Amino acid sequence: SAVISQKPSRDICQRGTSLTIQCQVDSQVTMMFWYRQQPGQSLTLIATANQGSEATYESGFVIDKFPISRPNLTFSTLTVSNLSPEDSSIYLCSVEASPGVYLNEQYFGPGTRLTVT
Amino acid sequence: GESVGLHLPTLSVQEGDNSIINCAYSNSASDYFIWYKQESGKGPQFIIDIRSNMDKRQGQRVTVLLNKTVKHLSLQIAATQPGDSAVYFCAEKRGGSNYKLTFGKGTLLTVNP
Repeated sequence: SAVISQKPSRDICQRGTSLTIQCQVDSQVTMMFWYRQQPGQSLTLIATANQGSEATYESGFVIDKFPISRPNLTFSTLTVSNLSPEDSSIYLCSVEASPGVYLNEQYFGPGTRLTVT
Repeated sequence: GESVGLHLPTLSVQEGDNSIINCAYSNSASDYFIWYKQESGKGPQFIIDIRSNMDKRQGQRVTVLLNKTVKHLSLQIAATQPGDSAVYFCAEKRGGSNYKLTFGKGTLLTVNP
């Protein structure tokens, strides 16, 4: 399985500011994803991070609010911009370890717990 | 609408008992299902998966059952241990070029010593 690390593990930010979360994988992966998990809730996909091109966003999520970078096959960043208390959540990076076969296992990082005051 | 959901939000069992966590899905086009375990403060951990052409799959102390007739998925944990206490999520993936996972609401499993 892929080993995924995220930085920071947690942060407390003031409203109006931005937070950039880093995701590092120990091997090259084709698919990388960013999820949000609000307190006591399930996981919701924000976007698919595409290497070398713009991320693909899910309904309800826009690039201006959640800009994503993916410069190579092992690294991605998610920025949560213009923070409000409603953005307080856990943000999770996820990868599919093997390319080509869509039924592959999907692994998650430890998450970044964001609190907006 | 299409959704993946759980029958029971909480489940409390005695150590050593077997646990059964249930999940319903509504999209018959879903062809791959996964169970994840999420401990407090951690990301979801892959437990076991099953394809739609299977009815049952077994792992170490875990079994996943798929009933496509009633669109029902279950996770059975044998001889439940305190370390099994966590939130369990089912997730579905649909075929084609769409790689997206759709998660259910989650069940909190508490194992009493």
